[in-house]
Amino acid sequence: SAVISQKPSRDICQRGTSLTIQCQVDSQVTMMFWYRQQPGQSLTLIATANQGSEATYESGFVIDKFPISRPNLTFSTLTVSNMSPEDSSIYLCSVTGGQENTEAFFGQGTRLTVV
Amino acid sequence: AQSVTQLDSHVSVSEGTPVLLRCNYSSSYSPSLFWYVQHPNKGLQLLLKYTSAATLVKGINGFEAEFKKSETSFHLTKPSAHMSDAAEYFCVVSVPFGNEKLTFGTGTRLTIIP
Repeated sequence: SAVISQKPSRDICQRGTSLTIQCQVDSQVTMMFWYRQQPGQSLTLIATANQGSEATYESGFVIDKFPISRPNLTFSTLTVSNMSPEDSSIYLCSVTGGQENTEAFFGQGTRLTVV
Repeated sequence: AQSVTQLDSHVSVSEGTPVLLRCNYSSSYSPSLFWYVQHPNKGLQLLLKYTSAATLVKGINGFEAEFKKSETSFHLTKPSAHMSDAAEYFCVVSVPFGNEKLTFGTGTRLTIIP
């Protein structure tokens, strides 16, 4: 299993500003995933972050809006840039066991409100 | 590409009665399937998973699910609902060569009536 610490747990931000969310894992993992859960919705994958390479973004998400860093095998950050109220969501970090088809582990999430 | 469809956005059952949450999947390859639960203001917790072993999978808190390839279904059941089961439930699929990406269903909110 993996234990994921995500910070901050929640924040209220002004529109036009940026917020960086940190994700720390207690073990080395190859891939880390960032999801968004809009109010009352399911989880949508934003991007996959591999250590030492550019993150891979899903359709509808771009690096300028959601830059991601992955400096080592236990840490990643997601920045939500130039925020608007539509960015108000829960953002979750996730890892898997590193092999195909194993369960995923999730951080507690960051509840972001943009005002 | 893979996808999951959760057939009910909201299910209400009385305490002590059976629970059935329905999930159908679509996949070009043999999938792995998961059920996750999300309690209000809590993180996601794995209930159970199917990864090509036994088709009837038992999970935590008395939940189980049966993988039926002929019906492309992976419905979640529990014989007797408890008040603490009230939560949001997500059916999730991943496939080989999918780079470990998960595809989430839209979720089913389970309400337990006292």
